Amino acid sequence: QVQLVQSGAEAREPGASVKVSCKTSGYTFTGYYIHWVRQAPGQGLQWMGWVNPNSDGAHYAQTFQGRVTMTRDTTISTVYMELSSLTSDDTAVYFCTSNSGTYLGDYWGQGTLVSVSS
Amino acid sequence: DIQVTQSPSSLSASVGDRVTFTCRASQDIRNNLGWYQQRPGKAPKRLISAASSLESGVPSRFSGGGSGTEFTLTISSLQPEDFATYYCLPHVTYPLIFGPGTKVEIK
Repeated sequence: QVQLVQSGAEAREPGASVKVSCKTSGYTFTGYYIHWVRQAPGQGLQWMGWVNPNSDGAHYAQTFQGRVTMTRDTTISTVYMELSSLTSDDTAVYFCTSNSGTYLGDYWGQGTLVSVSS
Repeated sequence: DIQVTQSPSSLSASVGDRVTFTCRASQDIRNNLGWYQQRPGKAPKRLISAASSLESGVPSRFSGGGSGTEFTLTISSLQPEDFATYYCLPHVTYPLIFGPGTKVEIK
């Protein structure tokens, strides 16, 4: 069965970077785009961008341009989301989710809590 | 960017009630809209795509409708597991912008 398994919770100080992984299994890794969506405590869902595992191409929301990098490692069927220059506003649960067709959200990772605090 | 609104922001209802909530987009998105359910502490789950197409395994008490700029999600008979937050997501252009959500609470 398809699974997306994310790395564990992270704590960072303001100004630091964080890299979250999303290991996929159960399907052809290069077949689905992977999107990243985050959710601040008590807030709604915010789309961050996608990575194409087939080409390593990526597209980011303007809000995160210059601070986010989404990459993949085909040898271990894993995608990564790195966010830099963290502030307390980046404290959130970060989800990876697959997109086999028009709509994201075929499958979801369990979420990774990133806490930013001094 | 497309602006997305949802109403109401929250509602209280009882098991067995029929509930409907609305999603509005700031421009014509035809039927390019998905609905997602999120239970507390869990990842979202896609319920509906293309405004009215029920995903495999989603109970038939869920139904979606609308096109253009106004869309609805109806739960015909609320079940205990349906108490959650529901988000709509137009899928036309980037950036993708989720609606702010409708929280369904137990009366």
